[in-house]
Amino acid sequence: QSVLAQPPSVSGAPGQRVTISCTGTSSNFGAGYDVHWYQQLPGTAPRLLIYDNNNRPAGVSDRFSGSRSGTSASLAITGLQAEDEADYYCQSYDSGLSGPVFGGGTRLTVL
Amino acid sequence: QPQVQESGPGLVRPSETLSLTCSVSGVSISSGSSYWGWVRQPPGKGLEWIANIHYTGATYYNPSLNRRVSISVDTAKNHVSLNVSSVTAADTGFYYCARVVVTPAAHFDSWGQGALVTVSS
Repeated sequence: QSVLAQPPSVSGAPGQRVTISCTGTSSNFGAGYDVHWYQQLPGTAPRLLIYDNNNRPAGVSDRFSGSRSGTSASLAITGLQAEDEADYYCQSYDSGLSGPVFGGGTRLTVL
Repeated sequence: QPQVQESGPGLVRPSETLSLTCSVSGVSISSGSSYWGWVRQPPGKGLEWIANIHYTGATYYNPSLNRRVSISVDTAKNHVSLNVSSVTAADTGFYYCARVVVTPAAHFDSWGQGALVTVSS
């Protein structure tokens, strides 16, 4: 059971907007720690998608955006494309564990 | 961005020690505030942080693993190593090395392609 809770799966049609939620606790988001998001395409390593809640590394499409409020965070993907089909993981720091923690991952299916 | 490459044995016998190496190119692992870490992923499952290290040797371990895990750095070779002792089938999976950007909530910004490790007799 992961420290950060994510829905196992979400889906959307091409062109639509989808969101992926990530629920934390008082020892991570609630303590003020930021959220980061990773995309893992099938058969590849994870790639940093969003860092520090809502910042995109160079090369990441502006169709991806993130937010955090209280003990929850979310990743939004607009203009859904077939190439967005992947697993998405949220990550933060947990003061109870004294280290990085990941969500269980959400599989995005593009219908 | 650094280039990160993991290497390891592929197959390890139960109860033995797994040893992995992370070779870094393009940047010095001892530059600035560089931290480096390992993350693993069992087949079909999610990501689990294992350990981080600073080039000065400061180490940080996942409490659920730290009695079996050791991370080290070789600045001369520009690589980071990970040992996991007394392995079982539960240690099977991909092991990723990544650069850690230290903010209050550290994140992993450059990942290797991963090394697949199978624990089996």
